[in-house]
Amino acid sequence: GESVGLHLPTLSVQEGDNSIINCAYSNSASDYFIWYKQESGKGPQFIIDIRSNMDKRQGQRVTVLLNKTVKHLSLQIAATQPGDSAVYFCAENRRGNQGGKLIFGQGTELSVKP
Amino acid sequence: DTEVTQTPKHLVMGMTNKKSLKCEQHMGHRAMYWYKQKAKKPPELMFVYSYEKLSINESVPSRFSPECPNSSLLNLHLHALQPEDSALYLCASSKTREASPYNEQFFGPGTRLTVL
Repeated sequence: GESVGLHLPTLSVQEGDNSIINCAYSNSASDYFIWYKQESGKGPQFIIDIRSNMDKRQGQRVTVLLNKTVKHLSLQIAATQPGDSAVYFCAENRRGNQGGKLIFGQGTELSVKP
Repeated sequence: DTEVTQTPKHLVMGMTNKKSLKCEQHMGHRAMYWYKQKAKKPPELMFVYSYEKLSINESVPSRFSPECPNSSLLNLHLHALQPEDSALYLCASSKTREASPYNEQFFGPGTRLTVL
């Protein structure tokens, strides 16, 4: 079936290094993608989004890349800090739903070593 | 105000109890959502309300009963739950797709529910 998935369930990086979290999606009709960060005991927090008519979008220390040819999404975090430790979910928004149905990937747990 | 609030933070209930979860937002969003999240898993959509009307029910058992009394409030009424219903229940809100095709969902902190 169609799904949004992540290549790695866990990622461990050294403080100060760059992190790359990947996500694959299979529905070519999806027109909007979001990355969420979820810390322990909290709800998902919006990090950055990208529309399907874009290839790249940058925020503060974060960059999202979208490759529609291979249906791949990635989140890059520059100079990773201990506060970045969390679970990261990609989510795709599929057309045709009045409320906007988000389909979440399985999540990647990022652990930052000091 | 870009906050979604949820009460209570924690809830413990027996299988015969009736309880309610509450969610509130003041961002003017006309779409509101309930999700269920198990530990180490992604949020799973349960219900979507659009303009205070139920637009999506993801085949959720009837022991979960949503209600949207006005554009700022969303409730989830619980009755005769099972231990496997223990989870984090998340509320979210967004603009409707009519208002914006790119509708970022804002999440509340969730209610941690334990069913004994």
